[in-house]
Amino acid sequence: SAVISQKPSRDICQRGTSLTIQCQVDSQVTMMFWYRQQPGQSLTLIATANQGSEATYESGFVIDKFPISRPNLTFSTLTVSNMSPEDSSIYLCSVVRDRGMNTEAFFGQGTRLTVV
Amino acid sequence: ILNVEQSPQSLHVQEGDSTNFTCSFPSSNFYALHWYRWETAKSPEALFVMTLNGDEKKKGRISATLNTKEGYSYLYIKGSQPEDSATYLCALPPPNTGNQFYFGTGTSLTVIP
Repeated sequence: SAVISQKPSRDICQRGTSLTIQCQVDSQVTMMFWYRQQPGQSLTLIATANQGSEATYESGFVIDKFPISRPNLTFSTLTVSNMSPEDSSIYLCSVVRDRGMNTEAFFGQGTRLTVV
Repeated sequence: ILNVEQSPQSLHVQEGDSTNFTCSFPSSNFYALHWYRWETAKSPEALFVMTLNGDEKKKGRISATLNTKEGYSYLYIKGSQPEDSATYLCALPPPNTGNQFYFGTGTSLTVIP
C-alpha cells in the first residue's frame, strides 16, 4: 500500500490568487498523478508528475495554469494559478502500485478548493 | 481515453434500505475494473477489483458484480447505514504500466437516519 498526505484539505481563495497543494508519499514512486473533480464531473487527470523531468499535461491543461513540481520521488506540488470560480473543485493526488491484474491506485485526502 | 459512466449521479436512501448503482464501460479490451469508496475529507479507498466476467465480490453488506460482455458492473449495498454515505467511484486501471486510471463520475450516496 501507499500512504499519501495531502495539504491543505480545503481552502477558500480570492479570484486572481494562487494556491499550492502538496502531496507527500510514504515511499518512493516514479509517477504521481494530479486529478481534478469539478461538481458533477468525473475525476479528470490534469497531469502526470515525473521526478527529474517536466510534468506531462493532459489536453485542456497547461503548465502556466497548473505548474507542478516534483523535486524527489516522494513529494510533489500542484499550483492552481490566477484562480477563477471555475477552478472550484476537489484536487486529488494519486500514485499507482503496479501488480499486474491487482494494480491499485492510492490517493491523498483531496483538497476542496472554493474560489470566490 | 476510456469513457466510464456511472448512474445515478446521486442517491438518497433511508437507513435500512438496500440500494444499487451502475458503472458502464467499453467492453472491448477489458482488463479490470475497480470500485472505490470516497468519504468526505478522506482518501478514496479500494473496495473491489473485478477481473472476470460473472465475478461477484462481497465485503460485508457491500457486493459487486461484473459483466464484461455488455460492459457494466453493479454495486449493491444491503441494509444501508449512515456510515455508508460516500461517493462510490468505479475506474478502469491502466492497460500499460504506470499510466492513469480512468474514473467514472461517481455516485454520491446519502443514507438518511
